[in-house]
Amino acid sequence: QQQVKQSPQSLIVQKGGISIINCAYENTAFDYFPWYQQFPGKGPALLIAIRPDVSEKKEGRFTISFNKSAKQFSLHIMDSQPGDSATYFCAVSGNQGGKLIFGQGTELSVKP
Amino acid sequence: NAGVTQTPKFQVLKTGQSMTLQCAQDMNHNSMYWYRQDPGMGLRLIYYSASEGTTDKGEVPNGYNVSRLNKREFSLRLESAAPSQTSVYFCATQLGLQGYEQYFGPGTRLTVT
Repeated sequence: QQQVKQSPQSLIVQKGGISIINCAYENTAFDYFPWYQQFPGKGPALLIAIRPDVSEKKEGRFTISFNKSAKQFSLHIMDSQPGDSATYFCAVSGNQGGKLIFGQGTELSVKP
Repeated sequence: NAGVTQTPKFQVLKTGQSMTLQCAQDMNHNSMYWYRQDPGMGLRLIYYSASEGTTDKGEVPNGYNVSRLNKREFSLRLESAAPSQTSVYFCATQLGLQGYEQYFGPGTRLTVT
């Protein structure tokens, strides 16, 4: 069963634009919502994460917006740069051995 | 500090052959994980070890076995490789069990012909 649905599958944005990636989850027991960034040939790396007690978290150009009632959260990349071109994964986690359940991934390409 | 290391980086196997993927960490983390990454499917958990001496199945454990050799090392074994196991395999570590960052290794690209 797909516990996390991520969209879009791919995204092309002009330099300086805003990139938005969305995730929806099913289980209300999840309480940790990270986003990972992966460059080609590398392992994923944590970008930013949020817990359900806040609706938004910002770190530099990256913002997570969290809607608990809708069971959705999104990643916003402001002033997108070519160096942001990568695959982004949302994930969810609950009280189950620290396991992460990942979304399908979004391949972001930022054009100069 | 090397962080999380994986060996080998690449491997080609014939159907039915066996092999072990190695993962080691120098971060003194308690929990370790094995994922596989396939196009359009994200990363799926194969097995994990919440602490030294324990292992548990993840989402896709069939065809795999694991060993938590000590706190540093967590290996993944394919006893009889199948083409469906062609994938990129990632090892990850985490300090504890609840809401901590997972650190990933560089991956092993495995092809089964």
